Parts: sequence; structure tokens; C-alpha cells
Amino acid sequence: DQQVKQNSPSLSVQEGRISILNCDYTNSMFDYFLWYKKYPAEGPTFLISISSIKDKNEDGRFTVFLNKSAKHLSLHIVPSQPGDSAVYFCAASGGSYIPTFGRGTSLIVHP
Amino acid sequence: NAGVTQTPKFRILKIGQSMTLQCTQDMNHNYMYWYRQDPGMGLKLIYYSVGAGITDKGEVPNGYNVSRSTTEDFPLRLELAAPSQTSVYFCASSYQALGTGTYEQYFGPGTRLTVT
Repeated sequence: DQQVKQNSPSLSVQEGRISILNCDYTNSMFDYFLWYKKYPAEGPTFLISISSIKDKNEDGRFTVFLNKSAKHLSLHIVPSQPGDSAVYFCAASGGSYIPTFGRGTSLIVHP
Repeated sequence: NAGVTQTPKFRILKIGQSMTLQCTQDMNHNYMYWYRQDPGMGLKLIYYSVGAGITDKGEVPNGYNVSRSTTEDFPLRLELAAPSQTSVYFCASSYQALGTGTYEQYFGPGTRLTVT
């Protein structure tokens, strides 16, 4: 049973537009959420995180929104660039500090 | 500062063979992890360690063993390789302090293993 779900396997966006990647979770004990980016043949790299005490966190072009009542978070990339083309993983953790990962969403940004 | 290093990068094993995937980190992180990534399946946790001498099973531990004798090293052992273990393996590390949020993990470049 997936506790962290990324229901869109892929997303295609035009350069300069907004990319919105979504993530849903089922475990109400999760209180910390992270997004990772992965290029082919490389390990994932940390992008941005958010604690459950916040509903928004920004870092440059990347913003993560958290809706605790809906158990939903989203990653917004504005403006999208071709170099953002990668697989994006959502991860969530609770008291154990051991993150559970979603299956990933492949983002393609067209020039 | 090399971060997390993994060896080998690629390996082909015959069914029943054994091997050890090496992982080393130089960031003095207390937590270390092993994941496998199958196509379209995300990252599944095999084993993790919260410090030297302490290891615990993750979601998919069958067919694997680990040890953590030092802070830096966290090798993953496959004893009797099976085709189902064909995957990409990632080692990761992070620093965790009790009572704080979950800190980000740093991943190695991965080992691509094929069992035939």
C-alpha cells in the first residue's frame, strides 16, 4: 500500500511556463516532506522541503505548498527551464526520520 | 569532500553468485541507507543504519545483508543473486538529531546490477 503517491508518471511543459507536480500521502503521522530531483544515471539530489507547521516554502524558482487537511503537497517551478527536465520524487517522513518515497514524476520541459 | 561514493558503477552477476556493493560517505553523517530503484517503482528502502553498529530492515530486505562497523562505510551484501535483484542500487546518508525535522539525504551515483 503506497503511503506516498505521485499519480502523474509524466508531465510535459513549455519553457517559461509553470510546472506543477503533485503528491498525496495517506499517513497522518508524516510531518516533514521533501522533494528530490533525479537526472538519468545519477543519484537523486535534494531540492526543497517543508515542515508540517508551514503551508509554503520557497527557494528561488521552486515553491512547495502543503495542504495538511487534504494530505496533499505540490511543487511549483516558475519559470520552467529545459534543464529542469528530470524525474521528481516526493518523500515524506514522521517520527522515525526515515523517508518514504513516491514513484516519481518525469518532467519534460520543451524549449 | 567527495560526498557519498559507491562502487562498482556497473556489475553483471550470474544467478547464485555473491557480491558486495560498497558505500562510503565523508560527511560524518550518522544515518545511512540502501535503496533499490526498479523502473517506474520509485525508491524502495532495503536497509538503513542510524549509527555505527546499528542496522535495521527497510521495506524490501530479503536477499540482502548489511553491516555498519564505522561511521563512514555501509556495505550491502547479496549472498545468492537472483534475477529479481536486477535493479539500480543507491546508497544515501543524512545527519539526524533527535527532536529536529528530517534532514535531506545525500545520494551516491548508484550501482547498476544485472543478474542473469
